[in-house]
Amino acid sequence: AQTVTQSQPEMSVQEAETVTLSCTYDTSESDYYLFWYKQPPSRQMILVIRQEAYKQQNATENRFSVNFQKAAKSFSLKISDSQLGDAAMYFCAYANWRDMRFGAGTRLTVKP
Amino acid sequence: GAVVSQHPSRVICKSGTSVKIECRSLDFQATTMFWYRQFPKQSLMLMATSNEGSKATYEQGVEKDKFLINHASLTLSTLTVTSAHPEDSSFYICSARFRGPMGYYGYTFGSGTRLTVV
Repeated sequence: AQTVTQSQPEMSVQEAETVTLSCTYDTSESDYYLFWYKQPPSRQMILVIRQEAYKQQNATENRFSVNFQKAAKSFSLKISDSQLGDAAMYFCAYANWRDMRFGAGTRLTVKP
Repeated sequence: GAVVSQHPSRVICKSGTSVKIECRSLDFQATTMFWYRQFPKQSLMLMATSNEGSKATYEQGVEKDKFLINHASLTLSTLTVTSAHPEDSSFYICSARFRGPMGYYGYTFGSGTRLTVV
């Protein structure tokens, strides 16, 4: 089964600064999707950004961007101009035709 | 956008009783539904995958007789926790997969159900 690894249980960033969350995954497939989800205290899963494996260009969504390194099986999330509302749990997820699996998560704290 | 309605949001039940959780896709057809369990401060653990009209595929270690999943239609999937015990207390989340207009897969999550067994 595919595995997703987030090696940073907790991260902290100063408001307006930039932070990068790490994610690696293991797969033998060539066709898959990668996601970053935000989970606030309400526990609603909020899609931050997605990347299709066949696309070489890194996905961006406003202040959020990814560094997708397919050969290295790495998928990091960069949050620019961090805001207090960015504080939450962030989960990296891998999905293929079969299912979607998540990493252990990174708790992001934003300091004012 | 694609919306999944999950009910109930919270439920408290007595040990030994059964609880049903529903996930309904409101404006799209969910060909596949994933059910996850999340303990406090932990990640989402996949319990089972269900395809409309087929039996669910359970992850290793998940008791299929305890966690009954039904996906009888393209808009409704249910998870029934049978003979619930305190250790079944957890947060349960469903996720529906659908095909987007360009043929890609889209995923949308329910708001979750907090189950407490007393």
